[in-house]
Amino acid sequence: EAEVAQSPRYKITEKSQAVAFWCDPISGHATLYWYRQILGQGPELLVQFQDESVVDDSQLPKDRFSAERLKGVDSTLKIQPAELGDSAMYLCASSFTGSGNTIYFGEGSWLTVV
Amino acid sequence: AQSVSQHNHHVILSEAASLELGCNYSYGGTVNLFWYVQYPGQHLQLLLKYFSGDPLVKGIKGFEAEFIKSKFSFNLRKPSVQWSDTAEYFCAVNAIITNTDKLIFGTGTRLQVFP
Repeated sequence: EAEVAQSPRYKITEKSQAVAFWCDPISGHATLYWYRQILGQGPELLVQFQDESVVDDSQLPKDRFSAERLKGVDSTLKIQPAELGDSAMYLCASSFTGSGNTIYFGEGSWLTVV
Repeated sequence: AQSVSQHNHHVILSEAASLELGCNYSYGGTVNLFWYVQYPGQHLQLLLKYFSGDPLVKGIKGFEAEFIKSKFSFNLRKPSVQWSDTAEYFCAVNAIITNTDKLIFGTGTRLQVFP
C-alpha cells in the first residue's frame, strides 16, 4: 500500500536553530497538507497545497515557518528560528483533489526544541 | 468557525466491554465526518467516514459510527473491544464550504483496553 513518506522521524534542535522536514506524498495526490500535533491535542492544519500552490496557510506562523512544494510533488516545511513551543509532531498528509476524499497521513516527524 | 469536541479524553475498558466515544461538531452546513485511529508508534489511519446516505456507517475492525444530524454528533461504537484496540481515536470534520478538504480534528480520546 502506498504511503506518505516523511523525514526525519525524530529531530532534536536547540532554540533559535533552523529545522526542516521533508514529505513525499502518495503518487498522484495533488493535495498535500502539513499538520502540527501538540501532545494531548488533535492535529491542527498549518498549510495546504494544491499542486505547487498554497490554498490555505491561515494557521501558519509565517514569521518563522515556511513551506514549499516547488514542483507540486514533495514538500519541505521549515522553521527558523525554532522556539520551545514548536516542540510537537509534524504530520504530512495527502489526498486526491476534491472535497470528500480520504486524507492519508505519514508517520510524522517528532520535533523537540531544547 | 468549525470545531469538534470529543468529551471523553481517556477511556479505560476491559476486553469484551462495549465502547462508545462521543463526538460533536459545530457547523450548520453540510459536512463530511471521519474517525481516525492512531495506534502506538504508528501513523493516523482512517477508521471510517460518512459523506451521505445511511447515517450508520461501518468501518474497519468492527467499528461503526452513527451520524445524528439533529444532535451534530458522530459517535463511534464497538460492541466488544479487544486489547489491540488500545489507541488514540480522533474525530474529524470537513465542512463543505470550499473544495479544500480541510479537516478539523477533535482533541482525541485515548482508549486503553486491559485483558
